[in-house]
Amino acid sequence: DGGITQSPKYLFRKEGQNVTLSCEQNLNHDAMYWYRQDPGQGLRLIYYSQIVNDFQKGDIAEGYSVSREKKESFPLTVTSAQKNPTAFYLCASSAGVMGSTDTQYFGPGTRLTVL
Amino acid sequence: AQSVTQLDSQVPVFEEAPVELRCNYSSSVSVYLFWYVQYPNQGLQLLLKYLSGSTLVESINGFEAEFNKSQTSFHLRKPSVHISDTAEYFCAVGYQKVTFGTGTKLQVIP
Repeated sequence: DGGITQSPKYLFRKEGQNVTLSCEQNLNHDAMYWYRQDPGQGLRLIYYSQIVNDFQKGDIAEGYSVSREKKESFPLTVTSAQKNPTAFYLCASSAGVMGSTDTQYFGPGTRLTVL
Repeated sequence: AQSVTQLDSQVPVFEEAPVELRCNYSSSVSVYLFWYVQYPNQGLQLLLKYLSGSTLVESINGFEAEFNKSQTSFHLRKPSVHISDTAEYFCAVGYQKVTFGTGTKLQVIP
């Protein structure tokens, strides 16, 4: 079955620690995205990548970093510089790059809690 | 710049009753419009989308949305809801990038 996997589903971290969230897709999609979801705020774009070895900042990139070394993988690192990291993180991918009509497909999400 | 407004954060409705979830958008260019559904602790799934052509679009599970350019709206409707429709619904607008609304929680009451 094709799709997007995110791991882990739940993640706990202590303040001051960096943590990396995994996102893998086997849909052969070029574009991948990371969103943050907070109650009552909808989804906000953190980073996106339209092609391997290239990525751009979204609306709330501060305190986050990404890499895109392989087409199928787009890990997100939440650094200690992120002031309020507790949230639900969603990864998505689409066949076409931004500006196309292609649908974004979402993973099941990772809920990060900072203790 | 583009934006999406979902005025209702929660909508309770009895089972088998009709429902309308409201979505208004603003954009300086033509856009594509989407409705996504999110079940608890899951990712978002595309429900339907408007790209061009007929202003009425339908999903496979009975939802429909109508693009109204003059009112800049893309309201989601279903004539008879089921318990399984209980979820959060997000309207989104996109051209160069997709902007999501804040979501509407649909609570279907048995």
